[in-house]
Amino acid sequence: SYELTQPLSVSVALGQTARITCGGNNIGSKNVHWYQQRPGQAPVLVIYRDTNRPSGIPERFSGSNSGNTATLTISGAQAGDEADYYCQVWDSSPLFGGGTKLTVL
Amino acid sequence: QLQLQESGPGLVKPSETLSLTCTVSGDSISSSSYYWGWIRQPPGKGLEWIGSIYYGGSTYYNSSLKSRVTISVDTSKNQFSLKLTSVTAADTAVYYCARQGSGWYQHWGQGALVTVSS
Repeated sequence: SYELTQPLSVSVALGQTARITCGGNNIGSKNVHWYQQRPGQAPVLVIYRDTNRPSGIPERFSGSNSGNTATLTISGAQAGDEADYYCQVWDSSPLFGGGTKLTVL
Repeated sequence: QLQLQESGPGLVKPSETLSLTCTVSGDSISSSSYYWGWIRQPPGKGLEWIGSIYYGGSTYYNSSLKSRVTISVDTSKNQFSLKLTSVTAADTAVYYCARQGSGWYQHWGQGALVTVSS
């Protein structure tokens, strides 16, 4: 079965760029979606189909996907970006990565 | 504005059946070309897709839960429901309902915590 691998945690200094990866076998051939989940809240879609931002999501959020790694990039990280981030693909059915906790220092 | 709201018992005894309903407002389940799904999250853990349903009734389930899961839809009430049988403590989780777009979930309910305990 297909597996998605995310780092457990990523730290970024305030105002700097955070990159959260999602690894999978030839993930570049799949559409990758990203969710932000703040403590006690439901997930929020921040990127769909690798690079697209839903309305209302700041331009600071961007995505890329190639080869065996998809990446969510948060430029100019803010304190409010501190959250868990999940990648998701479709592999016969929806599959989520294990999640990455982003800490903004 | 699309809203989804989960409802159901917050406490279920082991071996019994967990039942949750998701009420959709701001969109008609039967007029839109979306699937509607259930996703859960055990405390402190990640997201797990449970299953999805189309308004016409076609369903598909996570293979690891398939033997215990039933998802149904009631278009007259604009609701869809989840039943999970023979629950154990491992089924304790926040259960979310969500609208499934072309492979992703843009709209989520706020989540319902269900605890399995005697």
